[in-house]
Amino acid sequence: QLQLQESGPGLVKPSETLSLTCTVSGGSISSSIYYWGWIRQPPGKGLEWIGSIYYSGSTYYNPSLKSRVTISVDTSKNQLSLKLSSVTAADTAVYYCARRDIVMETFDYWGQGTLVTVSS
Amino acid sequence: QSVLTQPPSASGTPGQRVTISCSGSSSNIGSNTVNWYQQLPGTAPKLLIYSNNQRPSGVPDRFSGSKSGTSASLAISGLQSDDEADYYCAAWDDSLNGWVFGGGTKLTVL
Repeated sequence: QLQLQESGPGLVKPSETLSLTCTVSGGSISSSIYYWGWIRQPPGKGLEWIGSIYYSGSTYYNPSLKSRVTISVDTSKNQLSLKLSSVTAADTAVYYCARRDIVMETFDYWGQGTLVTVSS
Repeated sequence: QSVLTQPPSASGTPGQRVTISCSGSSSNIGSNTVNWYQQLPGTAPKLLIYSNNQRPSGVPDRFSGSKSGTSASLAISGLQSDDEADYYCAAWDDSLNGWVFGGGTKLTVL
């Protein structure tokens, strides 16, 4: 059974960089039919796609966040990572990692999510 | 403001059929498939419908999806109390070159 687990600091100071890791178990991040992505949800609000990455390292980002986002993959550890720089209170959200099936064209597996609060 | 437009709320009584709409444009729903996710309180979203009308294994056939032009709908028949959740539509947007979501619809079972 595929599992995705997000991890990282739950509190980040304004203007600093948010860093999260997603560990994939029960499947390989190097499979050719999947992309891997990050999606966030501010408290009480809707979902926002942040960006996605292929195991080769090819990335694409939400244009509204592109200047501040870096997503990377470590196939040896079966992990993907998210870095979001210059954070503000508006970046406070639950951050999810998810698998995107290229054939089904959908995010079919999601992690449980991790709450990151931006506050001094 | 979300790129895809959903009603903020919907409701029904047990056993009823309810529908949730999702309105987009030619660059997203009009040219790509639509997915629906169910988010129970305090949990991660779960895939409910993909490719407009396909159910993943394990999703009851009470849930169905459809698409016409630049709009899509999720229908839930035989409404149950366990269906009380937030529902989100999503699609790829060719203009934004990214995934876009609806603002979500909170379904209440009366």
